[in-house]
Amino acid sequence: DAKTTQPTSMDCAEGRAANLPCNHSTISGNEYVYWYRQIHSQGPQYIIHGLKNNETNEMASLIITEDRKSSTLILPHATLRDTAVYYCIVRPLNNAGNMLTFGGGTRLMVKP
Amino acid sequence: GAGVSQSPSNKVTEKGKDVELRCDPISGHTALYWYRQSLGQGLEFLIYFQGNSAPDKSGLPSDRFSAERTGGSVSTLTIQRTQQEDSAVYLCASSLLAGGQAKNIQYFGAGTRLSVL
Repeated sequence: DAKTTQPTSMDCAEGRAANLPCNHSTISGNEYVYWYRQIHSQGPQYIIHGLKNNETNEMASLIITEDRKSSTLILPHATLRDTAVYYCIVRPLNNAGNMLTFGGGTRLMVKP
Repeated sequence: GAGVSQSPSNKVTEKGKDVELRCDPISGHTALYWYRQSLGQGLEFLIYFQGNSAPDKSGLPSDRFSAERTGGSVSTLTIQRTQQEDSAVYLCASSLLAGGQAKNIQYFGAGTRLSVL
């Protein structure tokens, strides 16, 4: 399985963009990158996913490098409610069960 | 619409007792997953159900753990003879598609916090 590496923690000022990096240098050609987040005492919440093109939805933008070895999740205008642990996950190709493999994630603290 | 519902939200039990945790997936979702999250840790996969296929039990940590899914909907995770190391948050997720679909998005419940004394 392709592994991911994320910083343990990050701070961001409220109203500013939060840029969360993820390295996945061993990603296979047709594996997707997924981002989930987990707010304290809640279950994980899906944010966005992509293969090789940049993606945007109502929650965030996902920028994937051309070589696909890293990606960045962008929260354009972070709010206090965005404080959470953010998980970058590469979906295993050969796992028919499609379970998600969660690493340690990045603990994002949005400060007023 | 209703999301994934789990009950109870909290469960305190004594070592050696059996517990049952329940998960009501989103209506129409064919795939159902159980995960475990110990304090301060990431999620650990336990078991996966897809339609009428045999479940993938590869993540169950011991034979004290079992799960069933009746009628392709509600699922129950059972832990027999609980141990203190079983204390964790047990999370259930469901998804509409499975089996290699890239857009398979898992929706999680709020979890059941199990404390074994």
